[in-house]
Amino acid sequence: GQNIDQPTEMTATEGAIVQINCTYQTSGFNGLFWYQQHAGEAPTFLSYNVLDGLEEKGRFSSFLSRSKGYSYLLLKELQMKDSASYLCAARNYGGATNKLIFGTGTLLAVQP
Amino acid sequence: SQTIHQWPATLVQPVGSPLSLECTVEGTSNPNLYWYRQAAGRGLQLLFYSVGIGQISSEVPQNLSASRPQDRQFILSSKKLLLSDSGFYLCAQVAPGHNEQFFGPGTRLTVL
Repeated sequence: GQNIDQPTEMTATEGAIVQINCTYQTSGFNGLFWYQQHAGEAPTFLSYNVLDGLEEKGRFSSFLSRSKGYSYLLLKELQMKDSASYLCAARNYGGATNKLIFGTGTLLAVQP
Repeated sequence: SQTIHQWPATLVQPVGSPLSLECTVEGTSNPNLYWYRQAAGRGLQLLFYSVGIGQISSEVPQNLSASRPQDRQFILSSKKLLLSDSGFYLCAQVAPGHNEQFFGPGTRLTVL
């Protein structure tokens, strides 16, 4: 079967670092994506990992371990505007279809 | 740059009424197109995807249908809405040769 697991909610303090974990089980893994979604808005693309290791992009970094079916999103120097839902999504290999399987998202609350 | 338009932004419809949501894409040719639904407090559910004009694949059985009459136009329809059709409908695209899936602004549908 296919399954994406991530924590439902997390709380962190402004200026701190937070790590959001995601585990996945898919029938033919071909990439891991992270999206940010503010309340009432569409998801926006944050990162894409297909090889093991860490991808850094400013304050956000994403890590992938394919052997463990595990990824995390690391947010540094947290700001109030980072309060949002963070969606983990795994892509199945399917030729041209590029279909993503999404987790239910982790709602991050950044407190002063 | 690639831009996705969706309309209407919000819609309130009675049970049993028809539905037509439109998605258009700019800035790319022959994209893969996707329709998702996000129910309140839940994850993104893939409804349909299309790899080309007239090519539609359905992911879940339901009373919705999709069509792609032009390369950059994707339409979601229903003949008779159900209460359970309420949700946030998102159109997404992947440009040829790219990995990232980008979302349109979404349509919030309330069925009463």
